[in-house]
Amino acid sequence: NAGVTQTPKFRILKIGQSMTLQCTQDMNHNYMYWYRQDPGMGLKLIYYSVGAGITDKGEVPNGYNVSRSTTEDFPLRLELAAPSQTSVYFCASSPGSFNEQFFGPGTRLTVL
Amino acid sequence: AQKITQTQPGMFVQEKEAVTLDCTYDTSDQSYGLFWYKQPSSGEMIFLIYQGSYDEQNATEGRYSLNFQKARKSANLVISASQLGDSAMYFCAMREMAGRRALTFGSGTRLQVQP
Repeated sequence: NAGVTQTPKFRILKIGQSMTLQCTQDMNHNYMYWYRQDPGMGLKLIYYSVGAGITDKGEVPNGYNVSRSTTEDFPLRLELAAPSQTSVYFCASSPGSFNEQFFGPGTRLTVL
Repeated sequence: AQKITQTQPGMFVQEKEAVTLDCTYDTSDQSYGLFWYKQPSSGEMIFLIYQGSYDEQNATEGRYSLNFQKARKSANLVISASQLGDSAMYFCAMREMAGRRALTFGSGTRLQVQP
């Protein structure tokens, strides 16, 4: 199993551009999450999904959108990128049991 | 709302010594899970240890143990026999047992192991 994969690993955007961060998991997990980590801080929840077709906002959803058309994929869309979205983005998945959450390697995004 | 507090921004420890990283939490839930993750300079999130709120025994995983004091709402990580490779950021996190089951993270502690 590849686990949780994320692409790209690095990206530089100009203000106002848009992009999609890809996340795929091959563990058949129902729960998937997007977190962002600002420099020197812990992770904050952007959006989450409890299954295909079901998504909801986390603590910091402004400026982002998600979709979940399949169990495997959970892309994060940035519209009109702003410097405040410069961060490291982590995708995670979980089978729903309480003691496991698997993280992808992260995407480092810089908005200039 | 859940909250995790890590009051030690940075810690130093000598190689082969033990170190305790502090974590306190706040929740109104009776059921929850507590996690510790390690984040080396390469950036990935590495799961270290888990403690359920109803677990009576403190969790242990190799050199890692979790000192769980439910009444004090603390979940400190103890690393025994520190190694140079333990130098990293360490995050305490709490997981909701219902609903979205997402993690709430603390701000982290940077541990530096000195030879």
